[in-house]
Amino acid sequence: GAVVSQHPSRVICKSGTSVKIECRSLDFQATTMFWYRQFPKQSLMLMATSNEGSKATYEQGVEKDKFLINHASLTLSTLTVTSAHPEDSSFYICSASGQLAGYTFGSGTRLTVV
Amino acid sequence: GENVEQHPSTLSVQEGDSAVIKCTYSDSASNYFPWYKQELGKGPQLIIDIRSNVGEKKDQRIAVTLNKTAKHFSLHITETQPEDSAVYFCAASKGSGAGSYQLTFGKGTKLSVIP
Repeated sequence: GAVVSQHPSRVICKSGTSVKIECRSLDFQATTMFWYRQFPKQSLMLMATSNEGSKATYEQGVEKDKFLINHASLTLSTLTVTSAHPEDSSFYICSASGQLAGYTFGSGTRLTVV
Repeated sequence: GENVEQHPSTLSVQEGDSAVIKCTYSDSASNYFPWYKQELGKGPQLIIDIRSNVGEKKDQRIAVTLNKTAKHFSLHITETQPEDSAVYFCAASKGSGAGSYQLTFGKGTKLSVIP
């Protein structure tokens, strides 16, 4: 079946620094990737949708200059949290979709900003 | 936009009993309805899905039913086991499960199976 690899699984960073999260589709071409944020005991909240080679579309209330999304190839998308602050601490999850594979989720990244 | 309501938020069942989780959706254009299981600290895993041209789908102990007229769909787990304990999310989307349409998730159901 379709596999999406997300790294790192956990990251701790200092306030003010930037963190990059990678999401790779291993066995299919992901024309669209989705980035979610999940707070404890809550549902997944869509942050942005990116189509390969195009700028990401951000959901209302999500700062595009803070959460930089790059989807430069059909197998890789990255989310960079810039100038991270403690309130950015959360569980970030990517999902990839393509013609040959539906919504396949990564294993998530636990970000802790100290 | 689409709105998905999910009930109950928590569900406890005895091992071997059945569990049912229900969802309703608002957008009649939605045609793809997946169910995900999420264990603590992990990403969601697809356990079963159904498209709007089908009323019911079964995979071993798991089944999903869809009522397009009433705009609701349900997850049924029979002969529950302790390893079924997790948070379950329903979702809805257009595009038949592929492409660039976003998934709208329900708020989740925490299922606890008591040995």
